[in-house]
Amino acid sequence: QVVLTQSPSASASLGASVKLTCTLSSRHSTYAIAWHQQQPEKGPRYLMNLNSDGSHIKGDGIPDRFSGSSSGAERYLTISSLQSEDEAEYYCQTWGTGYVVFGGGTKLTVL
Amino acid sequence: EVQLLESGGDLVQPGGSLRLSCAASGFTFSNYAMSWVRQGPGKGLEWVSAISGSGDNTYYADSVKGRFTISRDNSKNTLYLQVNSLRAEDTAAYFCAKYRVVVANSDFDIWGQGTMVIVSS
Repeated sequence: QVVLTQSPSASASLGASVKLTCTLSSRHSTYAIAWHQQQPEKGPRYLMNLNSDGSHIKGDGIPDRFSGSSSGAERYLTISSLQSEDEAEYYCQTWGTGYVVFGGGTKLTVL
Repeated sequence: EVQLLESGGDLVQPGGSLRLSCAASGFTFSNYAMSWVRQGPGKGLEWVSAISGSGDNTYYADSVKGRFTISRDNSKNTLYLQVNSLRAEDTAAYFCAKYRVVVANSDFDIWGQGTMVIVSS
């Protein structure tokens, strides 16, 4: 069973950049993932699909400040020029036929 | 505008039942697989169930297998989740989500706002 590991929390200052990490279990290091953002008291929002080669497809309306990259079993979400509305929980997701796995989420605090 | 709108959540006693609905708009509903995902209070996202675009194939998490039933009515652009034999641990916000393809094998690109199910006596 594939496992996705995320750090529980991260923080960065307004206007700075932050890089969040999602690590795939070693046997599943080539899997694609998706990143989702969940602001407080809201439903999740799709950010992007991210492949093992770092190529990514962003969702409609997702600002250029959000980008993705990959290295081995690690998948990254980089947010630049942090804004207050970026303070949210960020989840990674992977999938197979008939199943979906989420990481535990990273709570991002914008200082 | 592509939109998913859930409804049907309620306060229910242990052992009770509910039917959750998710009304879809802004896309050709039958062309996409759909899913339910839940989130307990203060917890992360947990995948619950999925259904292919035609409705022929359904899938469930072990935690709900035998108690929950996913279905869809493509003529009404609506996804359903029948939840039976509810337990306290089923208390959660339930979100519907759209796959990017017709089979249940991709990421989700659209989410609803959720409907709350509270299981308590």
